[in-house]
Amino acid sequence: EDKVVQSPLSLVVHEGDTVTLNCSYEVTNFRSLLWYKQEKKAPTFLFMLTSSGIEKKSGRLSSILDKKELSSILNITATQTGDSAIYLCAVSGGSNYKLTFGKGTLLTVNP
Amino acid sequence: DAGVTQSPTHLIKTRGQHVTLRCSPISGHKSVSWYQQVLGQGPQFIFQYYEKEERGRGNFPDRFSARQFPNYSSELNVNALLLGDSALYLCASSPRGQETQYFGPGTRLLVL
Repeated sequence: EDKVVQSPLSLVVHEGDTVTLNCSYEVTNFRSLLWYKQEKKAPTFLFMLTSSGIEKKSGRLSSILDKKELSSILNITATQTGDSAIYLCAVSGGSNYKLTFGKGTLLTVNP
Repeated sequence: DAGVTQSPTHLIKTRGQHVTLRCSPISGHKSVSWYQQVLGQGPQFIFQYYEKEERGRGNFPDRFSARQFPNYSSELNVNALLLGDSALYLCASSPRGQETQYFGPGTRLLVL
């Protein structure tokens, strides 16, 4: 059964800090790893990482996929209060396109 | 462009009742997936439909069913509601079931 483990489960930082969120996975026939940000209800898409695209960057956010270690990190530099959210990691693999999610990391950025 | 829309936004039901949740995908997207998210957990896969056919089913009892219509909108039905069905139900769409799934705002269901 596919499995995703995220750490830490929660994190409190001050504005301006840099944070690193971790995601490790076990999945049959890995296809992709996705990061989402969930503030109130709808998870919003951040990045998708695949074998052909192991590093992505958008503004202050960046993510790397380590296929050897079966893990990924999400970095946020110069954090802002608006970065406060739950960050979800998900993987897809096998013969269908379902996403298997981790429990998420609750990030709180204090002013 | 409109994103994924879901209705209703909130719903309160009592045990044993039936509920129908609705989802309209992003225009041009032919695949819809349903997820259940309970407090403190990540979303858990329930169903995926593509071109009106069920493509995948998660580990949920037969009380859960879904269908997709010719316009690619979808319904999730849950019969004989239990207290444990209280959750946020998320719908996600993608063009052809590709990995990047875009989520709607969800329906928060409370079963009393």
